[in-house]
Amino acid sequence: DAKTTQPPSMDCAEGRAANLPCNHSTISGNEYVYWYRQIHSQGPQYIIHGLKNNETNEMASLIITEDRKSSTLILPHATLRDTAVYYCIVRRRDDKIIFGKGTRLHILP
Amino acid sequence: KAGVTQTPRYLIKTRGQQVTLSCSPISGHRSVSWYQQTPGQGLQFLFEYFSETQRNKGNFPGRFSGRQFSNSRSEMNVSTLELGDSALYLCASSLGRDQPQHFGDGTRLSIL
Repeated sequence: DAKTTQPPSMDCAEGRAANLPCNHSTISGNEYVYWYRQIHSQGPQYIIHGLKNNETNEMASLIITEDRKSSTLILPHATLRDTAVYYCIVRRRDDKIIFGKGTRLHILP
Repeated sequence: KAGVTQTPRYLIKTRGQQVTLSCSPISGHRSVSWYQQTPGQGLQFLFEYFSETQRNKGNFPGRFSGRQFSNSRSEMNVSTLELGDSALYLCASSLGRDQPQHFGDGTRLSIL
């Protein structure tokens, strides 16, 4: 089973920030949090990852709580092209990679 | 830099046949992983190869197998195809452990 819990769907108005939460309460100290998204009929696209500190790149920001039990992916200015399923993944020590069901993000015009 | 290339993009087979899917990773990437995606089960991990060695395996029957060549290219094989094997098969490559995986657009396999 996936080690993460995400809401099944979310809506966000175009131009606003989209904040996608992820719960990973059983994360281990050396496990990273990764975010991917998948647009229909394409392979998942890597967005960002982090261990303890907050991270930012050209696509998004990742905010990890101090206890590392949850994180939030922030898309600062959502566009219609950001409509996708977003997956939060924790890499387990035995190297298996488990995808959950993700969050289906709808960007509303 | 070229991305992960999977061939073929679409494939139609019948029950009982076997199939081989190919994956060319990003240049310099030595880790290749395979996933199966279906509407009911979502994205499920099949196996991971690193430097021609299988490093990890998911919970799939022995009909699903794979290999990696010295140039890091990988193939997966499914024998005795069943209707339930209809799925999108995705390949991902990465530099190594803890590094982001980069996915191809998959091979869509349909079993008749």
